[in-house]
Amino acid sequence: EADIYQTPRYLVIGTGKKITLECSQTMGHDKMYWYQQDPGMELHLIHYSYGVNSTEKGDLSSESTVSRIRTEHFPLTLESARPSHTSQYLCASRSLPINQPQHFGDGTRLSIL
Amino acid sequence: GESVGLHLPTLSVQEGDNSIINCAYSNSASDYFIWYKQESGKGPQFIIDIRSNMDKRQGQRVTVLLNKTVKHLSLQIAATQPGDSAVYFCASQTGGSYIPTFGRGTSLIVHP
Repeated sequence: EADIYQTPRYLVIGTGKKITLECSQTMGHDKMYWYQQDPGMELHLIHYSYGVNSTEKGDLSSESTVSRIRTEHFPLTLESARPSHTSQYLCASRSLPINQPQHFGDGTRLSIL
Repeated sequence: GESVGLHLPTLSVQEGDNSIINCAYSNSASDYFIWYKQESGKGPQFIIDIRSNMDKRQGQRVTVLLNKTVKHLSLQIAATQPGDSAVYFCASQTGGSYIPTFGRGTSLIVHP
């Protein structure tokens, strides 16, 4: 079982609030990812990182930011939450060699009122 | 652009039957393919993968078949059990890229 943890698991919060979703992994993986997923639907890449101080935007513009100050930690921040941000957010990591699968956390289910 | 799609959004089977979940991909340069299982309230979990230099790979009760000619892969689950009920995703990746492309997901429902 992969050692990647996301907190909180559930969050219900009002519009306009600043939110930080936490993701940590203990596998020493260089590559980390954030996805947005509606129930049963495909995963949309929001941000990814290839290592410390490396961050890139994915295909989905979610008005969020990420940071990668430590290998094990990859938090996602929404500066001003909106109802359109209501979704599930999944964090993943993988090891360096090519042709390796990603390991996923159990996600944060976010509801913006 | 590259896309990965699944043929059926929902598959219902009886316990003990074999299940086949299909996936099509569009990028002929894709050379690595992964199947994930996602149970309710959890993140996707790796099941099995296959590289493009293979046509078939077997795991425990699961087999992945790759047909590069028609850009199609399938996941076969033998003797399907209620615990197999979940959403199954395929993903494809192109050599040198660390960004997989995910399909929409197929919901497998196993009736006891």
